[in-house]
Amino acid sequence: DQQVKQNSPSLSVQEGRISILNCDYTNSMFDYFLWYKKYPAEGPTFLISISSIKDKNEDGRFTVFLNKSAKHLSLHIVPSQPGDSAVYFCALSTGNQFYFGTGTSLTVIP
Amino acid sequence: NAGVTQTPKFQVLKTGQSMTLQCAQDMNHNSMYWYRQDPGMGLRLIYYSASEGTTDKGEVPNGYNVSRLNKREFSLRLESAAPSQTSVYFCASRFGQLYEQYFGPGTRLTVT
Repeated sequence: DQQVKQNSPSLSVQEGRISILNCDYTNSMFDYFLWYKKYPAEGPTFLISISSIKDKNEDGRFTVFLNKSAKHLSLHIVPSQPGDSAVYFCALSTGNQFYFGTGTSLTVIP
Repeated sequence: NAGVTQTPKFQVLKTGQSMTLQCAQDMNHNSMYWYRQDPGMGLRLIYYSASEGTTDKGEVPNGYNVSRLNKREFSLRLESAAPSQTSVYFCASRFGQLYEQYFGPGTRLTVT
């Protein structure tokens, strides 16, 4: 059973607008939450993270929000740029194990 | 620093053949991981090694074995390849209790 879900396989956004990527999970055991970005034929690269004791973390154009009661994680990118076009994975951690979402392919249209 | 390196980049196997995927990191990281990525499934953890000398099963360990050869190297072995193991395999490492992982470029494996 999939513990981490990204229900939108793809998302298209105009350059300069906000991109919102979502991630839902089913288990309260996760204690750390991360977002990775992946370009074709490359490995994922770390983008931003948040601890379970916080509800928001910001790094430049990227902000991650955590709603523990709803078991929901989101990534906001503003303003979106064409170079942000990639697949985005959420990843949830418990101890040494990590569970990844299915990914959302973001296309930023110039 | 090369980061995380994986060999080979591509491999085609026949059903029943065996092979070992190699992974090495030069960042002095303690933990290393093997994932597989399949369409619509995201990345799924096969095995991990929290430190040199230890290995543990992840979500999908069946059909695989691993060896943590030393702190730098973590290999994944398929003893008898099956078409269901056709996938892209990623190795990753992380330092201490920091959560972010560093990934290699992947190995694309096809089993016919």
